[in-house]
Amino acid sequence: DIQMTQSPSSLSASVGDRVTVTCRASQSISNYLNWYQQKPGKAPKVLIYIATRLESGVPPRFSGSGSGTDFSLTISSLQPEDFATYYCQQSYSTPTFGQGTRLEI
Amino acid sequence: QITLEESGPTLVKPTQTLTLTCTFSGFSLSTSGVAVGWIRQPPGQALEWLALIYWNDDMYYNASLKSRLTITKDTSENQVVLTMTNMDPVDTATYYCVRRRSIVVVVGSKPREYNWFDPWGQGTLVTVSS
Repeated sequence: DIQMTQSPSSLSASVGDRVTVTCRASQSISNYLNWYQQKPGKAPKVLIYIATRLESGVPPRFSGSGSGTDFSLTISSLQPEDFATYYCQQSYSTPTFGQGTRLEI
Repeated sequence: QITLEESGPTLVKPTQTLTLTCTFSGFSLSTSGVAVGWIRQPPGQALEWLALIYWNDDMYYNASLKSRLTITKDTSENQVVLTMTNMDPVDTATYYCVRRRSIVVVVGSKPREYNWFDPWGQGTLVTVSS
């Protein structure tokens, strides 16, 4: 299986900050990479698919980049509703997720 | 509007078999390319993909759990069922039903199929305890 490693595991930030979460694959996955947001007690929701494509309805302050083994999710200006846990997921082969990055105040 | 809803027991005993049902609406599992799967999340931990079933009855399983999992579908009832045998306390988790979305993108001259999970059901917490 392809291992996905996210960093950091947790991140403290403030409203208005620009934050970046990174995700590294154990082998090249081209751009077969998706990002999800999960709020406490809720199911995950897709934010970004195919590494860079913004899901419909997701605010443009979210963006994704990367290809091969290294990827990132950036939030340009944190809003109160963005405090959540973020997961990357590869779809190059049998799906696997990163361990998550908890974004907190 | 596409929705998925999980149902099943909230408590199972060790060694028992878990049966979860996903009832969905807004799409059909008889449509080419459509797939529905299961993902779980132990409390406070990361997500783990379990199984996927396609419109054409192709099935795929997490290799580490394959011997314990069975996924089936009832197209007429818009349901997908997951069974997991020999439950253990480490299997305590919220189990999510998901639809696999996919698109084909031509890169160079070659088509590539990309997929992701959307939407998700609300999840059902299953506790394994005697």
